[in-house]
Amino acid sequence: DTAVSQTPKYLVTQMGNDKSIKCEQNLGHDTMYWYKQDSKKFLKIMFSYNNKELIINETVPNRFSPKSPDKAHLNLHINSLELGDSAVYFCASSQGQADQPQHFGDGTRLSIL
Amino acid sequence: LAKTTQPISMDSYEGQEVNITCSHNNIATNDYITWYQQFPSQGPRFIIQGYKTKVTNEVASLFIPADRKSSTLSLPRVSLSDTAVYYCLVGPSNTGKLIFGQGTTLQVKP
Repeated sequence: DTAVSQTPKYLVTQMGNDKSIKCEQNLGHDTMYWYKQDSKKFLKIMFSYNNKELIINETVPNRFSPKSPDKAHLNLHINSLELGDSAVYFCASSQGQADQPQHFGDGTRLSIL
Repeated sequence: LAKTTQPISMDSYEGQEVNITCSHNNIATNDYITWYQQFPSQGPRFIIQGYKTKVTNEVASLFIPADRKSSTLSLPRVSLSDTAVYYCLVGPSNTGKLIFGQGTTLQVKP
């Protein structure tokens, strides 16, 4: 059973479009995260939710809007996609907050044409 | 924020012990030291976490000196499948988040 699953695995779209990435975890964790990994392999946290409440919101354009319908899901919606949004986006979860081991999904590779 | 410095890359051969050292001079009292492993096209995977002295699990050992300004991840008898990027992180102290550095790319050769 996949602990943290993201869909889709690959997403190719044009500039200006709106897209969503879904994430689900079946570990019973109460905290979920979104990270962005750029071409240089730097992983940067974007958002963190604890029990459906936003607790970390980094300096991310407001075109990115996370939504947590329940504590097992944290989806990422991106409006008006730009070339610079091309990256791999990882979802993660942990029990408790950032001092606990985080479990990552396998990523969504977003390519903007 | 506590910054980490680790070698960009390392080479090793199968069967050898690999030690990757990470510097974190500004580590805060409440910070833990955590290591993750990332294979291509996969998300990072937790390896080990420690606060001080030595921690060992089935995968690796983590050595932390008394001043906690550095730490060393030790991988015993590496195999080709240990080729990956290894990230050293310190946190979360008061920020509530972990900061990933650029990691160490370990290449294990036959």
